[in-house]
Amino acid sequence: DVVMTQTPPSLSVAIGQSVSISCKSSQSLVYSDGKTYLHWLLQSSGRSPKRLIYQVSNLDSGVPDRFSGTGSQKDFTLKISRVEAKDLGVYYCAQTTHFPLTFGSGTKLEIK
Amino acid sequence: EVQLVESGGGLVQPGRSLKLSCAASGFTFSDYNMAWVRQAPKKGLEWVATISYDGSSTYYRDSVKGRFTISRDNAKSTLYLQMDSLRSEDTATYYCARHNYYYGDFDYWGQGVMVTVSS
Repeated sequence: DVVMTQTPPSLSVAIGQSVSISCKSSQSLVYSDGKTYLHWLLQSSGRSPKRLIYQVSNLDSGVPDRFSGTGSQKDFTLKISRVEAKDLGVYYCAQTTHFPLTFGSGTKLEIK
Repeated sequence: EVQLVESGGGLVQPGRSLKLSCAASGFTFSDYNMAWVRQAPKKGLEWVATISYDGSSTYYRDSVKGRFTISRDNAKSTLYLQMDSLRSEDTATYYCARHNYYYGDFDYWGQGVMVTVSS
C-alpha cells in the first residue's frame, strides 16, 4: 500500500499568518497517463470532508487563491496564505493513483 | 446541487450484517464512479470500496474483501454497501463519495452514517 506521511500533525497559527503542510508518499503518484492523482481535502469540525485541491494544484470552485498546492512524484505541499478563522479544521492529502486508495493521517489547523 | 444522503447505519452485534444506502441527486448518477470512505472515531479517513459508473468493476481494501459488497442501482440513483461478518474494527462513520473519473478525486461527500459494531 502507498503510505502517505503528512506533517505536521497539528499547527497553531495566528490570523493572517501563512502555513505549509507536507505530504510525502512512499511511491511515485504519477499514473501511466502522466497525471498525478494527489489531492487535498478539508474536514471542518463535525462535518464531512470537502474537496479543496485536486491533481496537486487545481483549486476546487469557490476555494480562495490563498490556498495553493505544489509538488511532484512523491513530495507535495499545501500552502495557506493569510490564514482566516474559517480555515480551521483537519487537512488531509489523498492519493488515488494506486489501489488501495490512501489518505494522509491529517493535519489539524488551529487558530491562536 | 449535488446531494448524497446516506442511511442504514446503527448498532449491530459482531458477526452480523448491515446494509448502507446512499441516495444521490443533482447529477447524472450513472456517469460517475462512486465510493465508500470510513472514519473510525477520532481517527483519519480510510477508503473502503469503489464501484465503476456501470457497476462492472469493483475495488476493495483488503480488510473488507470477502465481507463487504459495493453495488449500485442506476435506475434509482442509489449506492449500497452490504456489510457482512462485521467486526468491532468496522465501527466508523461511513461516507458515500462521488469518485470523479476525470480528476480522480472524491469531489462530493455525503454527511455520513454511523455504524457501531458492539455486543
